[in-house]
Amino acid sequence: EAGVAQSPRYKIIEKRQSVAFWCNPISGHATLYWYQQILGQGPKLLIQFQNNGVVDDSQLPKDRFSAERLKGVDSTLKIQPAKLEDSAVYLCASSLAKVRSSYNSPLHFGNGTRLTVT
Amino acid sequence: AQSVTQPDIHITVSEGASLELRCNYSYGATPYLFWYVQSPGQGLQLLLKYFSGDTLVQGIKGFEAEFKRSQSSFNLRKPSVHWSDAAEYFCAVGAHDRGSTLGRLYFGRGTQLTVWP
Repeated sequence: EAGVAQSPRYKIIEKRQSVAFWCNPISGHATLYWYQQILGQGPKLLIQFQNNGVVDDSQLPKDRFSAERLKGVDSTLKIQPAKLEDSAVYLCASSLAKVRSSYNSPLHFGNGTRLTVT
Repeated sequence: AQSVTQPDIHITVSEGASLELRCNYSYGATPYLFWYVQSPGQGLQLLLKYFSGDTLVQGIKGFEAEFKRSQSSFNLRKPSVHWSDAAEYFCAVGAHDRGSTLGRLYFGRGTQLTVWP
C-alpha cells in the first residue's frame, strides 16, 4: 500500500511569513494526525482529525496555526505568521483507529516537512 | 500527567554487540506502550507495541521489549546490532488525559543510536 505522502519536504521562510503543508494519508485511514517535532525532542501532537472533523486540537497554537481536512482525506496545516520557534519537522500520520481508542492502532507516518524560519 | 523518559540521548555500540535502550513512563493506569524508529529524513516506523498479556513482546527487525510494571519501564533490546540499525528510537505511551475520553500518544525525546563497524 502507498504510504502517507507529505509535501514539501523542505521549506525555508522568514519570520512573519506564512506557510502551508500538505498531507495525503493512507487510503481508508479515517484518523489523521499532525505532529510537530522540534530538534532534540519527540513528536508532539498538534491536531487530530476523525474523517473531516477535529477531535483534538488542544495543543494547537490557534492564534497562528490552522488545519483542515476537507472531504475527510487530504489535510493542510498552515502557519501564519511564522515565528522562529516554529522551526521543526512537521509530521503527518494516519491510522485506522477509532477516536476513543485512538492510540490502539499503529500510526503510519509520512517523511515530514522540515521547516526553517529565519 | 503522562510522561515518557528516555534517559540516554545518544548510545554508541559496535556492530554485533547487544543493545538495550531504556524507557520509563509515568501513567496512573495500565499503559499502552510503543517503540518507534526514525531513520534520517524519514517518518517514524512502529517497531513493536505492548497492550496486555505477555510482558515480553517481539517486534520487527529482531527487536524485543519487556514491560516491567514494578519499574514503570519498557526497555528495548536487540541481541546483535546491525549497522542498518543506526537511527533514532522513540518510546511512546498511549494514554488518556484526566477527564478526557480521547487517547493520545506521548513520545519520549528519543535516543540516537550510532553503530560502529
